[in-house]
Amino acid sequence: AQSVTQLGSHVSVSEGALVLLRCNYSSSVPPYLFWYVQYPNQGLQLLLKYTSAATLVKGINGFEAEFKKSETSFHLTKPSAHMSDAAEYFCAVSDPAQAGTALIFGKGTTLSVSS
Amino acid sequence: EPEVTQTPSHQVTQMGQEVILRCVPISNHLYFYWYRQILGQKVEFLVSFYNNEISEKSEIFDDQFSVERPDGSNFTLKIRSTKLEDSAMYFCASEGSSYNSPLHFGNGTRLTVT
Repeated sequence: AQSVTQLGSHVSVSEGALVLLRCNYSSSVPPYLFWYVQYPNQGLQLLLKYTSAATLVKGINGFEAEFKKSETSFHLTKPSAHMSDAAEYFCAVSDPAQAGTALIFGKGTTLSVSS
Repeated sequence: EPEVTQTPSHQVTQMGQEVILRCVPISNHLYFYWYRQILGQKVEFLVSFYNNEISEKSEIFDDQFSVERPDGSNFTLKIRSTKLEDSAMYFCASEGSSYNSPLHFGNGTRLTVT
C-alpha cells in the first residue's frame, strides 16, 4: 500500500524567505509523486510531478521538488516566498503502472506568508 | 484551457435525503474520479470510473454511494441517504489516456448535511 506523510500541518514564513514543505512517501513500487496546491474555495491545482525522469522537478510559480529515493522524500521548495503562495499544499503518490490509478494524498500543509 | 466543472458549488441537504453531485469532465478524457475532503482533513479517494464502469473504489465508497455517466458528458455522484458525516467537499477529477497525463480537478461541491 502507498502512503505519504507531510511533516508539519502548518508552516509560516516571511515574504522573501525560503519555503520548505516536507513530504515522505511509502511505496512498494517506484512511485509517481505530485504536489498540488489548493487556494481558498478552489479545487486542486497541480504544481509539479515526478514521473521517474529527472529527480529535480520544476513546477509552476517557482516551486521545485527533489525526489530522493534513499530518504523516501519529495520535499517542495521555493527560494523566495510571495504573499500569493499562501495556500494549502498536498503531496500525493500513485502507482505509475497505468493511468486510472487513484492518487493517495497526504494530510496537507497550510502555508502562511507574512509581510 | 479546458477545465472540469462541478455543480452546484454548495449543496445543503437534510439527513436521510438523496443528493446528486454533478461534474462535467474534460471532453476527451477517459478516466474519472471522485474525491472528498472533510473539513480540516486530507483529500480522500472515493472511486474511479473507466469505460462505463467502476475501476477502483475505496472503503468509503459503500452502498450509499453510486456513480454514473448517463449521457457521455456528465459524471455524477449520488449519495442515497445522506448522513451528517457525509458533509465534506467533493472533488471530481478527470484524466486523459496518455501515460503522463495529469489529473485535472474541478473546484468542488461543498455538501452540508444538517
